[in-house]
Amino acid sequence: GQQVMQIPQYQHVQEGEDFTTYCNSSTTLSNIQWYKQRPGGHPVFLIQLVKSGEVKKQKRLTFQFGEAKKNSSLHITATQTTDVGTYFCAGRATSGTYKYIFGTGTRLKVLA
Amino acid sequence: DTGVSQNPRHKITKRGQNVTFRCDPISEHNRLYWYRQTLGQGPEFLTYFQNEAQLEKSRLLSDRFSAERPKGSFSTLEIQRTEQGDSAMYLCASSSGRNTEAFFGQGTRLTVV
Repeated sequence: GQQVMQIPQYQHVQEGEDFTTYCNSSTTLSNIQWYKQRPGGHPVFLIQLVKSGEVKKQKRLTFQFGEAKKNSSLHITATQTTDVGTYFCAGRATSGTYKYIFGTGTRLKVLA
Repeated sequence: DTGVSQNPRHKITKRGQNVTFRCDPISEHNRLYWYRQTLGQGPEFLTYFQNEAQLEKSRLLSDRFSAERPKGSFSTLEIQRTEQGDSAMYLCASSSGRNTEAFFGQGTRLTVV
């Protein structure tokens, strides 16, 4: 079955440093979504990527979708303490499914 | 509050008992998902509804789990004969279209003792 892996599992950074998480799917994706989950909270949608090679930016966050539509990345420039949380990618396969498979997540801690 | 609402927020039950959770999606959303999340893991897909039709169900889901969305509005998830391994956060999400963002509820935390 479809699997979605993320690396790293954990990342501790000093405030102001950059952070990147990578997402890899075992199957080609129709689209990929990114979510942020704060400790004790529920996943909150960040963005969706649909096109091969697509790049989208949201302030300090940059999202990329790979050319083969099997991988994606999230890069945060100059992290802030408010960036703390777990970042999940969620991909939907191209094979006529409705479900999104969530990645294993990357837990980010930002040290002030 | 016009977000996704889940009840109860917490449920403690004895092994072997049945439990039912309710999800009220955002009113104009016709798509509804149920997920299960355990500590340190990403949400695991359980089932998907489009209006009242259950269009997809995880093959990993045992027959002790059943979900309904009778009028295409709220949904219920029932777990029969609960086991300790069912202890998890059960999340509901809704969306308005196939490629649109999903809004998650706060979840129902189930503890089976």
